[in-house]
Parts: sequence; structure tokens; C-alpha cells
Amino acid sequence: DAGVIQSPRHEVTEMGQEVTLRCKPISGHNSLFWYRQTMMRGLELLIYFNNNVPIDDSGMPEDRFSAKMPNASFSTLKIQPSEPRDSAVYFCASSLGASGSFSGEQFFGPGTRLTVL
Amino acid sequence: SQQGEEDPQALSIQEGENATMNCSYKTSINNLQWYRQNSGRGLVHLILIRSNEREKHSGRLRVTLDTSKKSSSLLITASRAADTASYFCATVDFNQGGKLIFGQGTELSVKP
Repeated sequence: DAGVIQSPRHEVTEMGQEVTLRCKPISGHNSLFWYRQTMMRGLELLIYFNNNVPIDDSGMPEDRFSAKMPNASFSTLKIQPSEPRDSAVYFCASSLGASGSFSGEQFFGPGTRLTVL
Repeated sequence: SQQGEEDPQALSIQEGENATMNCSYKTSINNLQWYRQNSGRGLVHLILIRSNEREKHSGRLRVTLDTSKKSSSLLITASRAADTASYFCATVDFNQGGKLIFGQGTELSVKP
């Protein structure tokens, strides 16, 4: 398996532009997580999906952020409009999902480094 | 929200020495996990310990869990320069939907 795939790996954009980050989870995993990592705030969970359904989006900073998972093999995180304070590394992770036998182990993608000028 | 608090925030040792990192958490857990992050990379799962376990080993890694004190420690024995990375603990509470709550991490530097 190729692991969790994220694209793009780097994104530089100007304030006010729309940014779309993409993630392909590991085949067979039914939970998907979006994280943001900055020096100031560390690793923050933004939103997670189970079986393509958003379960908890309490970490999404504001309405400028939205995430979708149209099918089991694809998810997007969109920022519109982007602001300089959104600059961070965004990680996608997948796992086998929440159940009684769920281990909780998550597999992370390489991340997208976003810079908003 | 961050639950795990790691200690120390940074640790610098010589190759061959042991490295010990500690993690404290606040709520009940089903398991606790440790992850490693090399600079510029995603996190990699190292080891998982369940709430009914007290100690677990994996190669040069040893993890302990004390649920009465809500704390865990990660010991890396005979460290190598390649162990240089940030190490994060993360807790799982199935009542919270199985999401991981990460600590702030310990930055380990192993000097050759």
C-alpha cells in the first residue's frame, strides 16, 4: 500500500485566495482525520470522518474552513478565503475506525505545507 | 484540545545513552500511543499500550503506563543519531469517538 497520500506537498498562495488540500486514505480504512500543525499551537485536530460522515468538526477554526469526504477514498480540506495565519502544515491521517476492537493507530500522510502571503 | 503534557520539552543526549520521555494526561483513556515525527515529515506510530497494561516493549522501546497517576513514559535504550526526532504521546477515549488527543511533544536530539 502506498500509505496516505496528500497533495499538494507545498502550496504558496496569496491572502484571499481559495486553497484546496487533498487526501487519499489507506484503502480499507474507514476513519479519516485532518490535523494542522504549527509551532505555536502544536498538532490540532480539525475534523474527522467515520465512514465518510463528519463526526466531530469542533476543531475547525472558523467558517472559512470546510471539509468533505465524498467517498471512502478521497477527502478535501478547503480554506476560502485564506489568511496568513492559516500558514501551517496540514496532515491527513486514516485509521480502521472507531469500534470495540479499534486500536486507534493512525497512519499519517506526509503533510501539505501551506504558506499564505 | 491538547490533553497530553510531555516532559521534558527538549532533551539532548549522546549516542548510546538512554532517553526517557514522560507524558501526563487528564481524562480516562482506552489506550495511549506514542508517535515519532522526523523534521518535515508526518507522524509515525511507534507503540500502543492499553489501559489494562502496565508495560510494553518493542525493540529498543519500552513504554510504561500508570493509570492511577495518569502518566506514561517512553524509554529509548541505546539511542542512535537516527532517533533524533520529536516524540508525541496521544490518548484515545472510545467515548470520544476514537480520536487521538496529542500532547505538545518532546524534541529529542541524539548527538553522535
